[in-house]
Formats: sequence, structure tokens, C-alpha cells
Amino acid sequence: GDSVTQMEGPVTLSEEAFLTINCTYTATGYPSLFWYVQYPGEGLQLLLKATKADDKGSNKGFEATYRKETTSFHLEKGSVQVSDSAVYFCALGGSYIPTFGRGTSLIVHP
Amino acid sequence: DGGITQSPKYLFRKEGQNVTLSCEQNLNHDAMYWYRQDPGQGLRLIYYSQIVNDFQKGDIAEGYSVSREKKESFPLTVTSAQKNPTAFYLCASSPPGQRNTEAFFGQGTRLTVV
Repeated sequence: GDSVTQMEGPVTLSEEAFLTINCTYTATGYPSLFWYVQYPGEGLQLLLKATKADDKGSNKGFEATYRKETTSFHLEKGSVQVSDSAVYFCALGGSYIPTFGRGTSLIVHP
Repeated sequence: DGGITQSPKYLFRKEGQNVTLSCEQNLNHDAMYWYRQDPGQGLRLIYYSQIVNDFQKGDIAEGYSVSREKKESFPLTVTSAQKNPTAFYLCASSPPGQRNTEAFFGQGTRLTVV
């Protein structure tokens, strides 16, 4: 079945460090890809999305590029802030039942 | 404002008791979903519905039941058959079949067995 694999956390960084969270997917067909963010005790919020190969989604300094050849959608940010501390979920969706990875906890220290 | 409302935010269940979690949306979405979140396990799909009066089991449906009598509402009942119900439950909705549309989530219900 369809699935998403993302790197395990926690990822611990100092403020202004570079962030990468790896995500790969398995799906029959051609899903849309998403990154969501979850703050403690809350639901998930959309961070960014891409609907076709080579599309780059971006928001709040975060970026991810849809790589069909490697079935990947890695999340990056050039300079993280303490306020970025949260759990990040990679997901496939669009015309598919939304399917999520296990989540990666990011902790940013001042 | 359009959105998804889950209630209650916190719920306590005694052993052997059924409890129902509410999920209401005013986004006019056809599809609705229930997920269970446990630490380190991400979101696991319990049930989903793509149209009124129809729903499908997800990956972990045992011990749960749902109904979809109205487009706006998709309540989840955690029955006494669910042996380990303590978890964070998330309801979501989306317009089905649209590539560029994400799922929208409620704020969640934290269920604890006492």
C-alpha cells in the first residue's frame, strides 16, 4: 500500500543552523506531497505542498522539492529559529487518502 | 470562519465504557477522516468517509465505530472492545479528488482511560 517514510527524531539544532528532514514515499500512481507542522496539543497545519514532479513548495523559509525519480520530498530551511520547534509530518494526498509519516520532532536551542 | 471543530478537548473513559468523540466541519468537504496519534507512531487511519451514509475502515478500525448521517458531522465512538484507547484523536476533512488541496485538521481530542 501507499506509505511515507521520514527520518526519526528528535532533531536538535542551534538557532540559525541548517535543517534537513528526509522524506520518501511509496505510492501507485502520482500523489501530491505535503509537509504539515504540529505544535504541542494541537492539530496539524499545512506547511507547504507540491502537486507534480520538480515542483518546489515553500513557506516561512521552509522548502521542499518533489523528486519523482527518487520518490522524495525532503524538507529544508536555511536558518532555523526557536519558534520552529515542533513536530513535522510528511504526507501524500491530493486524490489519495492522506497518508502520513511518523513525524520528526525538531528542537531548536537559542 | 470555516474549519473543523472537535469536542471535547479532553475526555476520560472508565474501563468498559463507550465514549463518543465529536467532529463537525463547515468547509463543505465531502471527505472526512479519523486518525489516532500515539507517541512515535505518527498518524494511523481509523475510519474515513467520502460521502454521506458511507464509510470505510482504515488500518486500525477494530474497537471503533463511526457514522456519517450528515455531511458536516463524523462522530467516532470508542467502544469497550478497544483495549488500549488512550491516545490523541484527530479528525480531518478534505475535498476528494483534488490534487492541490490539503487535509484540514481539528484541534484534537485527548482520550485517557482511568
